[in-house]
Amino acid sequence: DTGVSQDPRHKITKRGQNVTFRCDPISEHNRLYWYRQTLGQGPEFLTYFQNEAQLEKSRLLSDRFSAERPKGSFSTLEIQRTEQGDSAMYLCASSLGSDLQRYFGPGTRLTVL
Amino acid sequence: AQKITQTQPGMFVQEKEAVTLDCTYDTSDPSYGLFWYKQPSSGEMIFLIYQGSYDQQNATEGRYSLNFQKARKSANLVISASQLGDSAMYFCAMREGPGGFNKFYFGSGTKLNVKP
Repeated sequence: DTGVSQDPRHKITKRGQNVTFRCDPISEHNRLYWYRQTLGQGPEFLTYFQNEAQLEKSRLLSDRFSAERPKGSFSTLEIQRTEQGDSAMYLCASSLGSDLQRYFGPGTRLTVL
Repeated sequence: AQKITQTQPGMFVQEKEAVTLDCTYDTSDPSYGLFWYKQPSSGEMIFLIYQGSYDQQNATEGRYSLNFQKARKSANLVISASQLGDSAMYFCAMREGPGGFNKFYFGSGTKLNVKP
C-alpha cells in the first residue's frame, strides 16, 4: 500500500493526558498537511509542512498542539493536556510540489473522556 | 462568509438513479480549483473529481460529473446510476490560488443514502 498512513487509527485518552499521532505521507510527496474534522463538519486546516519546514499554522492550533516533520518524511502531531473539545478525527494529507490534489490518510479518531 | 456551502445535510436516492449534490463557493481569486471528496464510514477522504476555474468544459470521471456554473459560483456533483456503495458523506472543497501553499476549504458535507 503506497498511500498515506496514520497511526493509531483510534485513540481514547483521559482529559489532561498527552497524545501523539503519526502520519506517513506518500514517499515522494514533499508537502504534508494536518486537518481536524469534528462530527458533522468538513475538515479544517491545522498546519502545513513543505519538507521539514512548518510554513503555516491555523489559529485553531493552540499552544497545546505541536507538529513536527523532522526529516521531511513522516510527521507527528502532539496534543498536550487534552481537553474534551479535542475529540475529533485528525486527518493527514500529502501532495507533491504544485500538485493540486491532496491525498488523505484514513485519519486518527481521538476521544477524550 | 462561508467559502464553501453545501445546503443538503442528507439526501436519499434510489439505486440506479442519478443524484445531484449541491455546492456553492465564494472567492474573489480568479484562479481556484474545486474538488469533490467521498468519505465512507471508514473515514478516509477519497478524491472523486476536480474542476479548475479556467477549465472550459465540465469535468467528468466515470459516473461522476461536475456541473460547473462559474457565474453562479456553483459546482454541483452529479452521480449517475447510483450504487449501494455510493452511500457516504460527500464533501465539496475549494483551493484558492494558483500555486505554492494553497488554502483548501471544505464544506460541511452531504450524507448520501442509496436505497435498494
